[in-house]
Amino acid sequence: GQQVMQIPQYQHVQEGEDFTTYCNSSTTLSNIQWYKQRPGGHPVFLIQLVKSGEVKKQKRLTFQFGEAKKNSSLHITATQTTDVGTYFCAALRSNDYKLSFGAGTTVTVRA
Amino acid sequence: DAGVTQSPTHLIKTRGQQVTLRCSPISGHKSVSWYQQVLGQGPQFIFQYYEKEERGRGNFPDRFSARQFPNYSSELNVNALLLGDSALYLCASRGDLNTEAFFGQGTRLTVV
Repeated sequence: GQQVMQIPQYQHVQEGEDFTTYCNSSTTLSNIQWYKQRPGGHPVFLIQLVKSGEVKKQKRLTFQFGEAKKNSSLHITATQTTDVGTYFCAALRSNDYKLSFGAGTTVTVRA
Repeated sequence: DAGVTQSPTHLIKTRGQQVTLRCSPISGHKSVSWYQQVLGQGPQFIFQYYEKEERGRGNFPDRFSARQFPNYSSELNVNALLLGDSALYLCASRGDLNTEAFFGQGTRLTVV
């Protein structure tokens, strides 16, 4: 099946600093979605990337899809306490549209 | 507009019992998927339904079954519960199969 690996598993960030989390696959992905899950909550959709090399921005969040469509990244600038949570990438398989999630990067913020 | 609704929110069952979890998708959404999320892990795919037909099944034993009704709501059934079935069960609906998933709040199942 289509597996995506996320690194790092945990990210401890000082408030105001930047960080990046990565999503990698051994196979070419048709598209990649990113979700955020706050502690005690449910996953909430952030963005979908479809095109090779695509870059999308949402305020302080920048999402990128690799040229080979085998990896993706999420970069957060000037981290705030509201960024706390677990960020998941999810690969959408083109043949059956199954959405497979990575293990996530759990972000904590030091004030 | 109501989002994805799941019931119950919490449930405690004994080993060997059976459980039924329910999900109502966003109005107009024809796709419902079920996921199991164990603490500290990502959601694991269990089932996907579209237009009342099963469109995919994850690597779960036959004790897990599901169905989608004519109104697109869905039920997930788990028989012969094991301690390891304790998890957050998430339902997600999509307007189309290639669009984003909207998740419900989940059902927290504890098997004792």
